[in-house]
Amino acid sequence: DADVTQTPRNRITKTGKRIMLECSQTKGHDRMYWYRQDPGLGLQLIYYSFDVKDINKGEISDGYSVSRQAQAKFSLSLESAIPNQTALYFCATSPGQGSYEQYFGPGTRLTVT
Amino acid sequence: DAKTTQPPSMDCAEGRAANLPCNHSTISGNEYVYWYRQIHSQGPQYIIHGLKNNETNEMASLIITEDRKSSTLILPHATLRDTAVYYCIVPDTGRRALTFGSGTRLQVQP
Repeated sequence: DADVTQTPRNRITKTGKRIMLECSQTKGHDRMYWYRQDPGLGLQLIYYSFDVKDINKGEISDGYSVSRQAQAKFSLSLESAIPNQTALYFCATSPGQGSYEQYFGPGTRLTVT
Repeated sequence: DAKTTQPPSMDCAEGRAANLPCNHSTISGNEYVYWYRQIHSQGPQYIIHGLKNNETNEMASLIITEDRKSSTLILPHATLRDTAVYYCIVPDTGRRALTFGSGTRLQVQP
């Protein structure tokens, strides 16, 4: 079984709808991240969490919110989806302690029409 | 993060070594160099990292110049499955996450 799982893997939604992307990990890591990737571009950091009580905004947090329900679960919400949020979304985990080794999930392809 | 510069694309023949360069001339003394790769639309994959000594693991070798201003990732026997975008990253120790640039697109040719 994969160490980092994301659901759904693909989603098509309409403008204005609320949508939640979920991430679960079995690696036992405290640190979790949400990234976004637009076609042909690198990854941009949306939010990150160093433990259940520590949530931080990344470079492009506007229009997004997150919830760290447990050490193993980190959810990303789009409160009112808009077409330019169409992208690939990746969740990642990291052991921390000064390491920047990150382990990524398979991604969620989100299309907002 | 310290700025890194990579060529946008490279080709390599299958079975040959792939040498991917990265310049990081503004790197500080305690900053590591990390390499990741992303195979078409999959989640990025951690490859290797190093500080100043050369490093090797089952995936690749990392050669860092003595002045630490550049490094080379070496895939010793490239296969078609190594076709991917390779990212060289120098994380800012003051930040708590990675910054992914545009990387090098490596195409392994049969």
